[in-house]
Amino acid sequence: KAGVTQTPRYLIKTRGQQVTLSCSPISGHRSVSWYQQTPGQGLQFLFEYFSETQRNKGNFPGRFSGRQFSNSRSEMNVSTLELGDSALYLCASSLQGDPDGYTFGSGTRLTVV
Amino acid sequence: QKEVEQNSGPLSVPEGAIASLNCTYSDRGSQSFFWYRQYSGKSPELIMFIYSNGDKEDGRFTAQLNKASQYVSLLIRDSQPSDSATYLCAVTLDSSYKLIFGSGTRLLVRP
Repeated sequence: KAGVTQTPRYLIKTRGQQVTLSCSPISGHRSVSWYQQTPGQGLQFLFEYFSETQRNKGNFPGRFSGRQFSNSRSEMNVSTLELGDSALYLCASSLQGDPDGYTFGSGTRLTVV
Repeated sequence: QKEVEQNSGPLSVPEGAIASLNCTYSDRGSQSFFWYRQYSGKSPELIMFIYSNGDKEDGRFTAQLNKASQYVSLLIRDSQPSDSATYLCAVTLDSSYKLIFGSGTRLLVRP
């Protein structure tokens, strides 16, 4: 079966711009969770969506937002990009949200210059 | 104090040895405990999860949980060079599905 697909794989943006990342979960999975990975902070939880509703949110500023569509595909948006937003953004899909059922996507590497 | 602490390593062991990876957590409300492996440039992959005190074995891997001491460990028996990776410990708090990760321990298995 197809895995979790994240697009694009790589992205270079300029400070102040905004960016939208996409995550297509495994078919049948209704939960999508987003994580940011940086060398300094490691993996940090951004938010989780289940059936188009944000169910959990991490400690990130309001510049980070997301949404989920009726087909379970999810997008996250970062507005007014800062250099510190450079990171690997990973999404994980699961049936109900439980981490023991997570499958991570390959990630989107965002570089802000 | 970080919520989940791991020694960054690298932990270097010879091929065939037992690698012991440790993780401590600060919140006694932590409910579920996970070990992920992440190869350089790749996404994390789940190795094991454990919910109850004691040991849980899966092939060459054993997870050990001690809630009283607030630590969880991962033993890798008969370590192989292909086990060389960063091992991430993660926990969930209460009934939240939010994973809190440690910074990872880099394991190097020498042939």
